[in-house]
Amino acid sequence: GENVEQHPSTLSVQEGDSAVIKCTYSDSASNYFPWYKQELGKRPQLIIDIRSNVGEKKDQRIAVTLNKTAKHFSLHITETQPEDSAVYFCAAVYSGGGADGLTFGKGTHLIIQP
Amino acid sequence: DVKVTQSSRYLVKRTGEKVFLECVQDMDHENMFWYRQDPGLGLRLIYFSYDVKMKEKGDIPEGYSVSREKKERFSLILESASTNQTSMYLCAARSPGDAYEQYFGPGTRLTVT
Repeated sequence: GENVEQHPSTLSVQEGDSAVIKCTYSDSASNYFPWYKQELGKRPQLIIDIRSNVGEKKDQRIAVTLNKTAKHFSLHITETQPEDSAVYFCAAVYSGGGADGLTFGKGTHLIIQP
Repeated sequence: DVKVTQSSRYLVKRTGEKVFLECVQDMDHENMFWYRQDPGLGLRLIYFSYDVKMKEKGDIPEGYSVSREKKERFSLILESASTNQTSMYLCAARSPGDAYEQYFGPGTRLTVT
């Protein structure tokens, strides 16, 4: 099955700086890579996703890059703000029309220092 | 947006009790999932279902079973609760095919004493 590794487990950055979280996956058939943000006491919320036919996707201050050859993908947050503090999870799956669940990384606790 | 609800936010049960966790979604989605979330381990898939009465094991099915008698409802069952099943349980739903976005319920914090 799929295995997803996520680093770092904790990331502390100054407000206004950029943050980068990296993930690697093992199954070359995986073709969908979402990122979820989970604030304390709340459910995970999808913030951005990328499919294997695209190398990069951007949504305002958030971007995701995918390197299929190396089997890794990254989340980039620019101009970080206090509300970006949360736990972020990457995930991977082969979305071939079946019902397979997502395989998640272990999460990154992002701390934005004022 | 899909609305996914779970029957309890907090639950305390005793070792050996049979526990039912209920999940309901309102968008007629075929696929539903149960995950457990533990600190440092992320979210791990327990079971999923792609249709009524259909179920598939995920990565950690031991000690759990599921039931899907109606499309909108997916239940997780702990036949005999144990302390190592103390965890946050998250239900999710999505449509099959390319539109993969998966919506989570608010979670049930289960404590087994």
